Amino acid sequence: EPEVTQTPSHQVTQMGQEVILRCVPISNHLYFYWYRQILGQKVEFLVSFYNNEISEKSEIFDDQFSVERPDGSNFTLKIRSTKLEDSAMYFCASSGGGSSYNSPLHFGNGTRLTVT
Amino acid sequence: GESVGLHLPTLSVQEGDNSIINCAYSNSASDYFIWYKQESGKGPQFIIDIRSNMDKRQGQRVTVLLNKTVKHLSLQIAATQPGDSAVYFCAENYGGSQGNLIFGKGTKLSVKP
Repeated sequence: EPEVTQTPSHQVTQMGQEVILRCVPISNHLYFYWYRQILGQKVEFLVSFYNNEISEKSEIFDDQFSVERPDGSNFTLKIRSTKLEDSAMYFCASSGGGSSYNSPLHFGNGTRLTVT
Repeated sequence: GESVGLHLPTLSVQEGDNSIINCAYSNSASDYFIWYKQESGKGPQFIIDIRSNMDKRQGQRVTVLLNKTVKHLSLQIAATQPGDSAVYFCAENYGGSQGNLIFGKGTKLSVKP
């Protein structure tokens, strides 16, 4: 069964550094997402991406965050200057040829980001 | 307050018994609901979904019930197995939002052999 893959599985960085989290969504999916989960808390929506542009973003997704689909297979999340509170599990997800209303999100196994 | 919440943070059941995991939501505009299972070290795994024009939907060993009157969602797992041990999240969405799922805190299901 096709799956969403994320790399790296664990990223440790120092405060103020830039990080790029990488994802390969399911190949025929058109909608891409980033979510995060701070330890012990709920999974939170960050951003959705369709047709090479952001379609929706949350309050968490401030100017420090950006997303990109640099080629036909990768989808990245960049945090420009990491803060301690950015430490979390970051999940990439994708869905098929419609909104999540028509096609459920499929998640990767996440990248654990630790900011020291 | 939380838009989506869970009544019980932990649930322990005997192998072979049926499990019921509950979820409350507060956004009456939500029209799509999903249950996800999350095992340790993994991402949320889709289990089953239901739209607001339905009251019940069945999958393999799982049933989701939706009560819009009281804004309540439940996941029933029949003949619970040790492999069902995980954290279960409900999530809601409304049609005007693209992929912005609102997740509950999760219920940890432990299956005793």
